[in-house]
Amino acid sequence: DGGITQSPKYLFRKEGQNVTLSCEQNLNHDAMYWYRQDPGQGLRLIYYSQIVNDFQKGDIAEGYSVSREKKESFPLTVTSAQKNPTAFYLCASSGGLAGYTDTQYFGPGTRLTVL
Amino acid sequence: GENVEQHPSTLSVQEGDSAVIKCTYSDSASNYFPWYKQELGKGPQLIIDIRSNVGEKKDQRIAVTLNKTAKHFSLHITETQPEDSAVYFCAASRSFQKLVFGTGTRLLVSP
Repeated sequence: DGGITQSPKYLFRKEGQNVTLSCEQNLNHDAMYWYRQDPGQGLRLIYYSQIVNDFQKGDIAEGYSVSREKKESFPLTVTSAQKNPTAFYLCASSGGLAGYTDTQYFGPGTRLTVL
Repeated sequence: GENVEQHPSTLSVQEGDSAVIKCTYSDSASNYFPWYKQELGKGPQLIIDIRSNVGEKKDQRIAVTLNKTAKHFSLHITETQPEDSAVYFCAASRSFQKLVFGTGTRLLVSP
C-alpha cells in the first residue's frame, strides 16, 4: 500500500515534556510538510522539507523542530517551548522535481493533547 | 504573500441539491488550486485540482471553475449525497511555493 503513515494516532503530553510525532511515506516524494490544525480553522504550515537534510520554517515554527535524515521520514518534535500544543497535526508529501510537484497528499493525522 | 478567503463557512443543503463553495486569492502569480475534503478525525483528501491554464475541470459530480481575472475559483458539487458531508478546504500556490489554505467550509447534506 502506497501512502503516508503517521503515528501515534493519539498522543498525550504532560506540561514541560517534548514529544515526537512520526511521519513516513513510501510514495518516493521529495518534499514533506507538517501542518497544524486547530478546531474550526484551516491548516497552518509548521515546517517543510524539499530535500533530504534540508528544511525550512513555515508560518508557525516556534516551539517545534524537525529533521530529515531519510527521504521517507520527517519527524516533528513538539518542544516544551510550544505554549499551546494541543491540536491536530497533519503530515503531507508531494512529488519530485519532474512533472507536477505541488500536489500534496496528507496522512491521517495525530491528535496531540496536553494534560 | 498569498491570502485565500473561503465562503461560506457553513453550508446546509438537501440531498440531491447542488452545493457551491467559493474562494478568492490575492497573488495573481498563483497557478495551482486544489480542493480537499476532510472527514471528522481524518486527514484531508484531494478531490480535485485545477491549474491556471484551464478554466474548468470536472470529475463526475464535482467540478471546479477558475476565473483568473477576478482571482476566484469555486467548487461545485451536484446531486449531493449524505456522504458528501464533510469540511472542504480550498488552497492556492505558485509553482514550487507553499500551499496557502482557506479556512474551510462545513457542508451538511440532509437526507
